[in-house]
This record gives sequence, C-alpha cells and structure tokens, in this order.
Amino acid sequence: DIQMTQSPSSLSASVGDRVTITCRASQSISRSSNWYQQKPGKAPKLLIYATSNLQTGVPSRFSGSGDGTDFTLTITSLQPEDFATYYCQQSYSTPLTFGGGTKVEI
Amino acid sequence: QVQLVESGGGVVQPGRSLRLSCVVSGFTFSSFDMHWVRQAPGKGLEWVALIWHDGSKKDFADSVKGRFSISRDNSKNTVFLQMNSLRPEDTAVYYCARVVRLSSSSWAEYWGQGTLVTVSS
Repeated sequence: DIQMTQSPSSLSASVGDRVTITCRASQSISRSSNWYQQKPGKAPKLLIYATSNLQTGVPSRFSGSGDGTDFTLTITSLQPEDFATYYCQQSYSTPLTFGGGTKVEI
Repeated sequence: QVQLVESGGGVVQPGRSLRLSCVVSGFTFSSFDMHWVRQAPGKGLEWVALIWHDGSKKDFADSVKGRFSISRDNSKNTVFLQMNSLRPEDTAVYYCARVVRLSSSSWAEYWGQGTLVTVSS
C-alpha cells in the first residue's frame, strides 16, 4: 500500500498568512494526488485534483504542485473561512490512501 | 444540482450486518464511479470501497475485504455498501462520493453528508 505522510499535523496561522502543507508518498504516484478541505461536522470538499488542477468554484488562493513523491498545497493570504483540516490523497493505485490531515488553526 | 444522500446507518451489535444506501440525483449516475469513504470519530479519512460506473470493477480496503461488498442499481440511482461481520473498529461516519476517473487518476468531486454507523454491544 502507498503511504501518504502529511506535514505538519497542525499549524497556527493568521488571516493573510501564506500557508504550505506537504505530503510525501511512499513511492512515486506520478501526479495522482488530490487535496480536500474538511470543516467540523461536514463532508470533505475537493480543492485540488491531479496535483495542480483547481476544482471549479474553489478560490484561486489555493494551489497545488508536485510530482512523483512530493506534493504541496499552498494557500496564499489565508482567509477566515480557510480554518479547517486538509487532507491529501493518492489515487495512483488501490487501496486509495489519505494523509493524516493538517489542522489549520487561528 | 448534484445531490448524494446516504442512509442506513445506526447502532448495531458486533458481528451483525448493515446495508448503507446512497441515492443520487442531478447527474447521470451510470456515467460515474462511486466510492465509499469513512471517518472514525475524531480521526482522519479512510477509503473503503469503489465500484466502477458499470459495476465491472469493485475494490476494497484491506480492513474490510471479505466482510463488505459494494453494488449499484443504475436504474434507481443508488449505490449500496453491504457491511457484514461488523466490528467496533468499523464505527465511523460513512460517506459516498461521486468520482471522476481519468487515466491513472481519480478524484471525489461530490460527497454526501454521511451516515453514522456505530458498532457496539
């Protein structure tokens, strides 16, 4: 199984900050990585698919990059509604696996 | 608009069975793969199972393989997760998701609101 190691597990940031979350795959997954945002009591929401593609309706302050084993989610100018937990996921092979999550707190 | 509504969750004793349903609307169900993802209380996301748009492929997480099955009825816009031999560690919110598959990548575009399964004596 492919392991997705996400870091940090939590971070504190302020409105307007630039935030970077990383995910490392235990083997190459090409560009088959996705990023999701989840708020308490809610279903996950797709932000970025196939490493760098912004899902329709997602603000442009979110971006993704990477290739092979190392992937990054960047939020430029953090907004109040961005405080949430973020998960990476690999879809290269089954079983599909998620990172452990990054909680972004004020 | 796209909607996915799960049902069938509840409290069940260890070793018993439960069947979850996910009814969808707002899109051509038969054109999309469907996945189930779960989240134990206070924990992260865990992929559970997938079924291709035409039902020709199914796959499962190792943790549920041999106990869970997945099926779909494209005439009723519904995907099912049959859960047998339930264990306390299966306690979680279960989400169904509409998935786009392209080449070697896939992503869950839309999610239901989830249904809680509690396995306890």
